[in-house]
Amino acid sequence: AQSVSQHNHHVILSEAASLELGCNYSYGGTVNLFWYVQYPGQHLQLLLKYFSGDPLVKGIKGFEAEFIKSKFSFNLRKPSVQWSDTAEYFCAVGPYGNKLVFGAGTILRVKS
Amino acid sequence: DTAVSQTPKYLVTQMGNDKSIKCEQNLGHDTMYWYKQDSKKFLKIMFSYNNKELIINETVPNRFSPKSPDKAHLNLHINSLELGDSAVYFCASSQLAETGELFFGEGSRLTVL
Repeated sequence: AQSVSQHNHHVILSEAASLELGCNYSYGGTVNLFWYVQYPGQHLQLLLKYFSGDPLVKGIKGFEAEFIKSKFSFNLRKPSVQWSDTAEYFCAVGPYGNKLVFGAGTILRVKS
Repeated sequence: DTAVSQTPKYLVTQMGNDKSIKCEQNLGHDTMYWYKQDSKKFLKIMFSYNNKELIINETVPNRFSPKSPDKAHLNLHINSLELGDSAVYFCASSQLAETGELFFGEGSRLTVL
């Protein structure tokens, strides 16, 4: 079965620190890759996506992610986090028969 | 203005009751979904409808029944609620099911006592 694993459940960083959140998936075929973010009290929203082309994709708010096919990975990065980046981040992969498979999420807390 | 809206946002009820959660999207999307987020924060798909037709029906107890009166609405009715049904239920929609890009509602937190 397809699965998505996010390596860190909780991450605490100080403002201006660099961020990297790991995401690995278990499917060998062609997939689309997503990072969603859920800010406190808000709904899940798309941060960035990869369908094809340049494996380094840029999203909103200075986030980027790199697709490494050989490693089945799609890690999220940001060079310098801000307090407002405090949120929960979900990696998702698919679709598998119209379904997205989500990771368990990583809670990021940025200390000001 | 809200693209995908769900009601109610919070629902507290007793075991054995029947409840419904409603979802509406104004994005003109053809496909709508219900996801369940359990206590461990995993988001798992429950159902998907494309133009009012059920296309995904995961292993969900038949106490859960989705209904799509039109392609902009997807409601979730739950009979005989159990403690384990407590979760956050997210509605989502997508323009093209093939891309997997979803637009989510704010979630409905159901607590069964």
